[in-house]
Amino acid sequence: RKEVEQDPGPFNVPEGATVAFNCTYSNSASQSFFWYRQDCRKEPKLLMSVYSSGNEDGRFTAQLNRASQYISLLIRDSKLSDSATYLCVVNTLATGNQFYFGTGTSLTVIP
Amino acid sequence: NAGVTQTPKFQVLKTGQSMTLQCAQDMNHEYMSWYRQDPGMGLRLIHYSVGAGITDQGEVPNGYNVSRSTTEDFPLRLLSAAPSQTSVYFCASSYVGQQETQYFGPGTRLLVL
Repeated sequence: RKEVEQDPGPFNVPEGATVAFNCTYSNSASQSFFWYRQDCRKEPKLLMSVYSSGNEDGRFTAQLNRASQYISLLIRDSKLSDSATYLCVVNTLATGNQFYFGTGTSLTVIP
Repeated sequence: NAGVTQTPKFQVLKTGQSMTLQCAQDMNHEYMSWYRQDPGMGLRLIHYSVGAGITDQGEVPNGYNVSRSTTEDFPLRLLSAAPSQTSVYFCASSYVGQQETQYFGPGTRLLVL
């Protein structure tokens, strides 16, 4: 079973739409959670950390459900510049600080 | 700060050749790691290190060696390149601790013929 599973998409949405990505993780000992963004042929970059209480950064909202081992990312008012692949990432200190990456969800925002 | 740097950016090898991918960071991060990224597979961990002199295997270590003689450098060696090692390789580093995120280098695109 994969450590982190994501719906690969692709998601094609019009500008201004709201889109949600979901991710599940298998190790209940995982302690830290992140969403990364990766543009085509570029390195992944941190979008936001995900906290148990949920957190918001502008148009982006991340949620964590530890009981269901589920992470989500909501993007409101989508912009063309949001087109990218979004990676769900889980960190487990107990296994040597390893970071586990989902395969990514592709988003294209259409004019 | 330069962050995480990787060299070379591109490389073409013939089957059986060896080479070293270089990675360096200037953020004094304890943790460094190497990933490969293939279409549909996501990022897969090759080797990682939690400090100088300490290395460990990740998910796909076969065919690769690493060493960590300094905090700053974490080279990845391909012992005898195979076409299956054609991939994009990313080096990353971070502090060790809860919610400490990783910073990635720009990647090395490797083609093995």
